[in-house]
Amino acid sequence: DAKTTQPNSMESNEEEPVHLPCNHSTISGTDYIHWYRQLPSQGPEYVIHGLTSNVNNRMASLAIAEDRKSSTLILHRATLRDAAVYYCIQKDDMRFGAGTRLTVKP
Amino acid sequence: DGGITQSPKYLFRKEGQNVTLSCEQNLNHDAMYWYRQDPGQGLRLIYYSQIVNDFQKGDIAEGYSVSREKKESFPLTVTSAQKNPTAFYLCASSDRDTLLATNEKLFFGSGTQLSVL
Repeated sequence: DAKTTQPNSMESNEEEPVHLPCNHSTISGTDYIHWYRQLPSQGPEYVIHGLTSNVNNRMASLAIAEDRKSSTLILHRATLRDAAVYYCIQKDDMRFGAGTRLTVKP
Repeated sequence: DGGITQSPKYLFRKEGQNVTLSCEQNLNHDAMYWYRQDPGQGLRLIYYSQIVNDFQKGDIAEGYSVSREKKESFPLTVTSAQKNPTAFYLCASSDRDTLLATNEKLFFGSGTQLSVL
């Protein structure tokens, strides 16, 4: 089983921020947290990754708890194209759980 | 454009038949991976290869075989021993083995849907 846990589903309204949580309580001090997302019938695509500090890129932000046992993927303004399954993984594990299915309502 | 190409997009297998799924990458990546995805489920690791002519079993290797004769190619054979092969198969690659270099990103292909006739 994957070492990370995420809610099965979340909903958001278009143009509102979305916070997707992930728990990774067994993560080691040197292991990165990665986030990927998967659209229907496609392969997952990379979103963001981080180790200790909060990270930002053009797609999203990643907030990592000080104890590194949890993290939150932040989509600042959800669009309909952000509707996907989001996966959080510990890279020493390579196992993808069922992820969080994000629904974006217009 | 650089990337990973999986073919075919759809594949049908008859009872007792072996089928091979193709995965090619032009990213010059050392490591390649095969995952299986069942409907509504996460990805499960079948096999991975850190370097040419070497590969390791993942969590669900039974009924599958792979080869890594060239850096850019990592074909997966679904053998007749795999009794429930219907699934979405995903190939991925990374610059280095992500088990060792955990900051390396994974790049995925667009997948092959395998169904049993």
